[in-house]
Amino acid sequence: DQQVKQNSPSLSVQEGRISILNCDYTNSMFDYFLWYKKYPAEGPTFLISISSIKDKNEDGRFTVFLNKSAKHLSLHIVPSQPGDSAVYFCAASGLGGTSYGKLTFGQGTILTVHP
Amino acid sequence: SAVISQKPSRDICQRGTSLTIQCQVDSQVTMMFWYRQQPGQSLTLIATANQGSEATYESGFVIDKFPISRPNLTFSTLTVSNMSPEDSSIYLCSARDGTGNQPQHFGDGTRLSIL
Repeated sequence: DQQVKQNSPSLSVQEGRISILNCDYTNSMFDYFLWYKKYPAEGPTFLISISSIKDKNEDGRFTVFLNKSAKHLSLHIVPSQPGDSAVYFCAASGLGGTSYGKLTFGQGTILTVHP
Repeated sequence: SAVISQKPSRDICQRGTSLTIQCQVDSQVTMMFWYRQQPGQSLTLIATANQGSEATYESGFVIDKFPISRPNLTFSTLTVSNMSPEDSSIYLCSARDGTGNQPQHFGDGTRLSIL
């Protein structure tokens, strides 16, 4: 049962353009969502997060949008840079009960930004 | 954010043996976790390492196979016992602090290959 899904295994974008990575979830108890970036041979690096009380959070070139009714979130990177090429993981967490603090990850999307 | 160091970074082991992975955080943290990333897969939570008490395991993971210790607020170990080729994975330690919505930060992982 895949509770967090990233349906695009890969995405290719030209440098300077917008990258949009998508993520869907099924568990309505999730209320905190995160994006991580992972380079080969390194651990995931936290990028940006959003709580369920918001629909948008922005940090520099990175913006995360949350659509709770559709159980969908997206990460926008503008402008995209070659150094952004990595695997991007969407993750979700529930605040209460046995889900507290635990992350459920999507399968990841490989982003390639071409110069 | 906390800096997390894992040792060893990689190892090649014989089937039937056990390996202990160490995770050191540079500051006291509330929660520590262990994840597994099998080849071509996403990250899956193995267990929450509880300070001073037994770890809390996720469905499909058992203490006999993955014993975990957490003697204090900055250190944890994961042992992979009686290894088989199916245990070949990347094992990642993570930590988060505080209450409420906080991101987890990850070590660089231990790449384990079983012959």
